[in-house]
Amino acid sequence: GESVGLHLPTLSVQEGDNSIINCAYSNSASDYFIWYKQESGKGPQFIIDIRSNMDKRQGQRVTVLLNKTVKHLSLQIAATQPGDSAVYFCAEMDGFQKLVFGTGTRLLVSP
Amino acid sequence: DTAVSQTPKYLVTQMGNDKSIKCEQNLGHDTMYWYKQDSKKFLKIMFSYNNKELIINETVPNRFSPKSPDKAHLNLHINSLELGDSAVYFCASSGRLAGEFFGPGTRLTVL
Repeated sequence: GESVGLHLPTLSVQEGDNSIINCAYSNSASDYFIWYKQESGKGPQFIIDIRSNMDKRQGQRVTVLLNKTVKHLSLQIAATQPGDSAVYFCAEMDGFQKLVFGTGTRLLVSP
Repeated sequence: DTAVSQTPKYLVTQMGNDKSIKCEQNLGHDTMYWYKQDSKKFLKIMFSYNNKELIINETVPNRFSPKSPDKAHLNLHINSLELGDSAVYFCASSGRLAGEFFGPGTRLTVL
């Protein structure tokens, strides 16, 4: 087997709970942010994005909050389901139009 | 319909060999990327091409050479493979307004 992901921070929740995944970004000049979900053996999947002129954006069961003052991004997942179990990455777009990814958080949802 | 596809999905080879990974996107995007994901799930951009032109080259060794025959394809050729090249390689593409869409990944194992 592989030892991938053993160093990832992990959030364990019960099915039906709300989940909050946090991310600190580094570049105060970044103006575009994305959350990705990566399931085992698959590529990262776009969930939701937000531009720096907003502080909140809602999707279906997901909400992204942006606090530019402290360079903090969060992803809230309402009524978490077992299918939400995955590694979640935040990414910031720097001034060179390049996405810089965070280290990832593993979300484990128990039935 | 697959948006971003990569071949092969798995690649096992000996040190010193040369190998290629192919990527195609049918989203009509102008920009394509190669990312490397290490064993700790850390995702880092390697290259970015816009309309067949190299935009980003993230201090990747010269042994890695991307080639874009047209804007729907971005292939990655790797010469003289080393043990440290073992990772999962993701191709991605993006349009003007949204984030990047990733392929399913190619797991490269160098023995």
